[in-house]
Amino acid sequence: AQSVSQHNHHVILSEAASLELGCNYSYGGTVNLFWYVQYPGQHLQLLLKYFSGDPLVKGIKGFEAEFIKSKFSFNLRKPSVQWSDTAEYFCAVNARAAGNKLTFGGGTRVLVKP
Amino acid sequence: DGGITQSPKYLFRKEGQNVTLSCEQNLNHDAMYWYRQDPGQGLRLIYYSQIVNDFQKGDIAEGYSVSREKKESFPLTVTSAQKNPTAFYLCASGLNLGNTEAFFGQGTRLTVV
Repeated sequence: AQSVSQHNHHVILSEAASLELGCNYSYGGTVNLFWYVQYPGQHLQLLLKYFSGDPLVKGIKGFEAEFIKSKFSFNLRKPSVQWSDTAEYFCAVNARAAGNKLTFGGGTRVLVKP
Repeated sequence: DGGITQSPKYLFRKEGQNVTLSCEQNLNHDAMYWYRQDPGQGLRLIYYSQIVNDFQKGDIAEGYSVSREKKESFPLTVTSAQKNPTAFYLCASGLNLGNTEAFFGQGTRLTVV
């Protein structure tokens, strides 16, 4: 079974709509959590990360994510998307229980219609 | 400029031949990774290294080999034993394994014909 799950493979929405992408992981213990984005034709870049502290983290371009330990989740949100948010989004987890390797989810392709 | 360089961007090989993909970083990072990206499957970890002369198998290491003789270099060899080698390969590096972000190269698209 995949250790990092992204439930939505494709999301299509209109500009100004709200976006929420789900991410669940199966590791116990200490985890570090990331969301990466891959815009068309560009390399992967970091949107935001969680290591400790406030479970609500803010990233670049108006994105935020909430770590809910009891649900093993780290969902990504943006209140109002723009056409330029069209990209593929990847959740990633670094878990001490897995030897600190960085494991990615399957990705979610987001298409924002103008 | 600091960063991760993967070369070449596109690579074509005949079936049965081994091929080596280059990854160089000048960020002074200890950790380096190789991933394979296939449509709908996200990034799958092939090998990773946390320090020179040390590397570990990832989730899909069969048919691949790596070396880490220098801190800045982590080449990946796709051997003829890899059953489905055509894919997009991504190299990344980080300060260390653990709570640091990974920085990615532009990738190499390998096509085996």
